Amino acid sequence: DSGVTQTPKHLITATGQRVTLRCSPRSGDLSVYWYQQSLDQGLQFLIQYYNGEERAKGNILERFSAQQFPDLHSELNLSSLELGDSALYFCASSVDAGISYEQYFGPGTRLTVT
Amino acid sequence: GENVEQHPSTLSVQEGDSAVIKCTYSDSASNYFPWYKQELGKRPQLIIDIRSNVGEKKDQRIAVTLNKTAKHFSLHITETQPEDSAVYFCAATPNTGGFKTIFGAGTRLFVKA
Repeated sequence: DSGVTQTPKHLITATGQRVTLRCSPRSGDLSVYWYQQSLDQGLQFLIQYYNGEERAKGNILERFSAQQFPDLHSELNLSSLELGDSALYFCASSVDAGISYEQYFGPGTRLTVT
Repeated sequence: GENVEQHPSTLSVQEGDSAVIKCTYSDSASNYFPWYKQELGKRPQLIIDIRSNVGEKKDQRIAVTLNKTAKHFSLHITETQPEDSAVYFCAATPNTGGFKTIFGAGTRLFVKA
């Protein structure tokens, strides 16, 4: 157990819908990262937040947005869902701030768009 | 743009043999290189990492080497065991204010008993 929690574990929804994925980082970690992993694919970096502020952005679609709240949990919002958005979405957290770069991954949320 | 190439995509070895996975990165600002192991349906787990000011790091049967000039780094697993079978990902992280981690495509390692 990495200490990073993600909810829900599984999500099945229809095309055109909107969903919200939630992540709670390890205690003390200030950074949260979101990744997308499609079937048999690598990990695609989406976005990083540090202490509530966006720090780095990857190839995140405009239909996707994220935020990190004052209690440091983060939410990834996916809207106008398409079949191709079906994937495993991982959240990771790290201390950062020049202390430690190690990222600890949560168990993931498996999103199925039908 | 930033890119990490990883080879081979599949690697099959006999138990007890060594396994080597190689990665090349493009962003010269990259200064942190982690390796993750992912078992089927599970989360990626950090197994070893190296920073750009170090050329080699070892942890029991696992070692990583970094050649900054050539922009490549490698994972070496010695005395492989069946439980080493998994997908291994390399990654490169540039420290440019944020940590936009770029992952390689992964190597599926099979260790035959």
